[in-house]
Amino acid sequence: KNQVEQSPQSLIILEGKNCTLQCNYTVSPFSNLRWYKQDTGRGPVSLTIMTFSENTKSNGRYTATLDADTKQSSLHITASQLSDSASYICVVSAPGANNLFFGTGTRLTVIP
Amino acid sequence: SQTIHQWPATLVQPVGSPLSLECTVEGTSNPNLYWYRQAAGRGLQLLFYSVGIGQISSEVPQNLSASRPQDRQFILSSKKLLLSDSGFYLCAWSTGWAGANVLTFGAGSRLTVL
Repeated sequence: KNQVEQSPQSLIILEGKNCTLQCNYTVSPFSNLRWYKQDTGRGPVSLTIMTFSENTKSNGRYTATLDADTKQSSLHITASQLSDSASYICVVSAPGANNLFFGTGTRLTVIP
Repeated sequence: SQTIHQWPATLVQPVGSPLSLECTVEGTSNPNLYWYRQAAGRGLQLLFYSVGIGQISSEVPQNLSASRPQDRQFILSSKKLLLSDSGFYLCAWSTGWAGANVLTFGAGSRLTVL
């Protein structure tokens, strides 16, 4: 069964600290992996998208890694800011039209 | 640049009333359009997608329907809402299939059915 699991479910960190969010998937075959940021009550916004051949991709203070062999990805946030408080959703795509599998997200809270 | 608009942002409706959520995309032609529902603690669920005017595919059986009257307009409807229709609805678009291309979401519509 194609699944995407994220951990932790929620995380609280101090402003300025780094953190890492995890995504494990069983989706096969694999096409690409995306990370989205979703502010409360808003739609998800794309952060990164990685294909099989990419193992690292950065977007400002956000760095995503992908290990396609172990089917794991992580999202590292550097020098967190209050505005980083949001849910982060991992999405894995399989070949085909609309084969997107969504994780349930990690809720990050950054406190001053 | 491309933008996606979705409205209304919030909606409170009684059981049995009709529903209409609207989504429009600007700055692109012939986009693939999608309606997703997001339930608390669950991943996004694809409800409908459309690859062209008048072409609608349904992913799950439900009380809702979708229509695409114009190239960049996508509407989610119901004739009679159920309590279970409450949720956060997201419209999205992509150039080509969502699995291979960037999927861009609207701001969402929060529906509460009482």
